[in-house]
Amino acid sequence: GAGVSQTPSNKVTEKGKYVELRCDPISGHTALYWYRQSLGQGPEFLIYFQGTGAADDSGLPNDRFFAVRPEGSVSTLKIQRTERGDSAVYLCASSTGLPRGTGELFFGEGSRLTVL
Amino acid sequence: GNSVTQMEGPVTLSEEAFLTINCTYTATGYPSLFWYVQYPGEGLQLLLKATKADDKGSNKGFEATYRKETTSFHLEKGSVQVSDSAVYFCALSDDSGGSNYKLTFGKGTLLTVNP
Repeated sequence: GAGVSQTPSNKVTEKGKYVELRCDPISGHTALYWYRQSLGQGPEFLIYFQGTGAADDSGLPNDRFFAVRPEGSVSTLKIQRTERGDSAVYLCASSTGLPRGTGELFFGEGSRLTVL
Repeated sequence: GNSVTQMEGPVTLSEEAFLTINCTYTATGYPSLFWYVQYPGEGLQLLLKATKADDKGSNKGFEATYRKETTSFHLEKGSVQVSDSAVYFCALSDDSGGSNYKLTFGKGTLLTVNP
């Protein structure tokens, strides 16, 4: 597609369940990011991929959160044993991967996760 | 660590009014600065950016100047339109270099422009 695609757009789950959120970046973009946006807050960085590898996962809040990008394109954010505090909009973004100052991030519309 | 503080909203203006949304930052080194906008039902999109001190970013009638001495990047527009109604986010990038655009965002400012 033309832009970053995220599925599902909405996900309601129960506390303790496992959740997967998918991101399909813009074709040809080598860099991919996950952010989390809680109500009334700006997006917070979770993890950055350059190609298939996680180059920076310093924003992942704990070991219940994990993300993969096995073929360097689509990425999946995985959350185990969900908690109510995980409720947020999860944003994915991609970029060309060019050096800083020459590119920009292109964001998807997000996946809204609600943990009951 | 890095942080961004922006004017809290909501901000409500009449069409053709002047807009200022304040943004100040704290960062080590020399970050790049950005304004992102989120229109209703759409994803975040880059509005403008500035990569070094005294640079002015501009787009769609919006402007912001990178002021190192005041650590600010205030967003301005001389005459707003109803179509400018959106949430505006100020952000800075980590200055570690390379291709990592790890952004630190402010909390966002909701702008509503009435006809």
